[in-house]
Amino acid sequence: EVQLVESGGGLVQPGGSLRLSCAGTGFVFSGHSINWVRQAPGKGLEWVSYISGSGDLIFYADSVKGRFTISRDNAKSSVSLQMNSLNAADMAMYYCVRDHYDNSPGGWFDPWGQGTLVTVSS
Amino acid sequence: SYVVTQPPSVSVAPGQTATITCGGDTIGSRSVHWYHQKPGQAPVVVVYDDSHRPSGIPERFSGSNSENTATLTISRVEAGDEGAFYCQMWDPSTNHQVFGGGTTLTVL
Repeated sequence: EVQLVESGGGLVQPGGSLRLSCAGTGFVFSGHSINWVRQAPGKGLEWVSYISGSGDLIFYADSVKGRFTISRDNAKSSVSLQMNSLNAADMAMYYCVRDHYDNSPGGWFDPWGQGTLVTVSS
Repeated sequence: SYVVTQPPSVSVAPGQTATITCGGDTIGSRSVHWYHQKPGQAPVVVVYDDSHRPSGIPERFSGSNSENTATLTISRVEAGDEGAFYCQMWDPSTNHQVFGGGTTLTVL
């Protein structure tokens, strides 16, 4: 079964940092790009970041560029999202999602992980 | 940035047809994907590349895309179809993934 499992969410103070991880199983991990998508409570979906299967291609949403860093370790079938300078607008459920394609964006997202909740509060 | 617009809500009686639109400038030139999110769950793809249906998704779900509107059509709507539907596509001009604002489907 193809599966993505996120971890690392939790409570962090404004201005703080958090590192999310996503572990993939059941498929050739390097053969797929990975995206992070977030959803604030009661709101819609917002794309956060993309990394190609090889790790050579990386993109960020304008709202997180310069604060978030995505990376991957194909040997460990994992992707990480380092989040710095967190603020209230970053509070959301963060989903790790597999892109259909390996090294080019534009594919559909399947599957989605169950999500990990990030709460930003003092 | 590329902006797409979805109606906030659609209501339909059981057994009827629901139509959810995703409007954007020349969206017909892009590949559009659709997701269904039930309350408390992660989204699931129901249509990809405008009109293709993943395995396990009922034939009642279909999609089309032309000119400035992509459309998700759900035939013979059931109570289990309730939830939020999102369109998504890649914007090569900004290298961003784009989501529509979402449409909440209510089965009367």
